[in-house]
Amino acid sequence: SQQGEEDPQALSIQEGENATMNCSYKTSINNLQWYRQNSGRGLVHLILIRSNEREKHSGRLRVTLDTSKKSSSLLITASRAADTASYFCATDPKWGNYQLIWGAGTKLIIKP
Amino acid sequence: DSGVTQTPKHLITATGQRVTLRCSPRSGDLSVYWYQQSLDQGLQFLIQYYNGEERAKGNILERFSAQQFPDLHSELNLSSLELGDSALYFCASSVGDSGNEQYFGPGTRLTVT
Repeated sequence: SQQGEEDPQALSIQEGENATMNCSYKTSINNLQWYRQNSGRGLVHLILIRSNEREKHSGRLRVTLDTSKKSSSLLITASRAADTASYFCATDPKWGNYQLIWGAGTKLIIKP
Repeated sequence: DSGVTQTPKHLITATGQRVTLRCSPRSGDLSVYWYQQSLDQGLQFLIQYYNGEERAKGNILERFSAQQFPDLHSELNLSSLELGDSALYFCASSVGDSGNEQYFGPGTRLTVT
């Protein structure tokens, strides 16, 4: 089964609003990563947060990690039409077999 | 541009046929990963190679095989194709063999008719 599960599955907001997506996972991790995928295109790495970090920022992105709850959130502030995409979390399990474990993604639509 | 290249971009073929997808990783990256993404679905990890050796295997069918060559490019071979194999196939690369951020190619869209 998938390690990461994003919620919500889909999110539609007005341009300028903030968007929050969540990711839950099941086992201990080394790090958690967020990726963006524009329709039909390759995924783009956004941010990596290590298990000993609680919060990380990159431009309009803010990622938090709560290892006690095994969850992470991705906040996009002041959303733009160009943020319309699917967002995936991926975890690097502490005792995995090298591969990242991917969630099913959140589809974000920014309405003009 | 991620620096990962994939060819071809599109491929249309018939059931029962065999195709080869090609991937060149970013300069300096030793790992190559292959993923399958069906319409509006998440990513299914297929297989990983690190510096020429198979490192991890996911949900890869026996009809599918891959390899990584000495120059680090990789090929994914899909044989006895079925309609259900129609999907986007992505290659990604990373520096190390685990846990690192992955850089994705633009994908190959395979349509089996």
